[in-house]
Amino acid sequence: ETGVTQTPRHLVMGMTNKKSLKCEQHLGHNAMYWYKQSAKKPLELMFVYNFKEQTENNSVPSRFSPECPNSSHLFLHLHTLQPEDSALYLCASSQDEAMNEKLFFGSGTQLSVL
Amino acid sequence: GESVGLHLPTLSVQEGDNSIINCAYSNSASDYFIWYKQESGKGPQFIIDIRSNMDKRQGQRVTVLLNKTVKHLSLQIAATQPGDSAVYFCAENKSGGGADGLTFGKGTHLIIQP
Repeated sequence: ETGVTQTPRHLVMGMTNKKSLKCEQHLGHNAMYWYKQSAKKPLELMFVYNFKEQTENNSVPSRFSPECPNSSHLFLHLHTLQPEDSALYLCASSQDEAMNEKLFFGSGTQLSVL
Repeated sequence: GESVGLHLPTLSVQEGDNSIINCAYSNSASDYFIWYKQESGKGPQFIIDIRSNMDKRQGQRVTVLLNKTVKHLSLQIAATQPGDSAVYFCAENKSGGGADGLTFGKGTHLIIQP
């Protein structure tokens, strides 16, 4: 295990639903990230939080709303999603966002939007 | 276009043979490189990293080679085992870059034949 836990593992939702993805890290890291992984495409950075403050929003549509209540927890609130939003959503953490260092990833939430 | 890419989308090797997975990058300013392994149903897992002041770095059964002249990165896996079946992808970052500067390749699917 990487020390980063994501729930749920799988999620199917309609376009009018509201759902939330949860991520928790047990590594004592200060930075947390949301990535989107679509088939045959590189990982796409969505949001970065460093010491609970959002430091990066990579032009993500407002139907994705992140929340970071503390350095160990990260949420991604979903509302009015589109079918093209179906993908694997990965949470990651690192000691600090500013340093060049490896990320620790969770197993992801496989999201299907119908 | 992407600054990080892979030469082959799929690599098939015999169990026990050595595997070599390649990665090309285009940003001369990149000075930190990482290899990740992603097994089916799991998130990416850190394998090994290398900084630009090194040409070679070895881990357990894995070796990363960096050729800055031709902007090429490779991952060598010795005595490939069935558990090595996964998608492998490289990532690069620039000096002083945070998570927003981390660029991932699409990945190579390594298939182990018995």
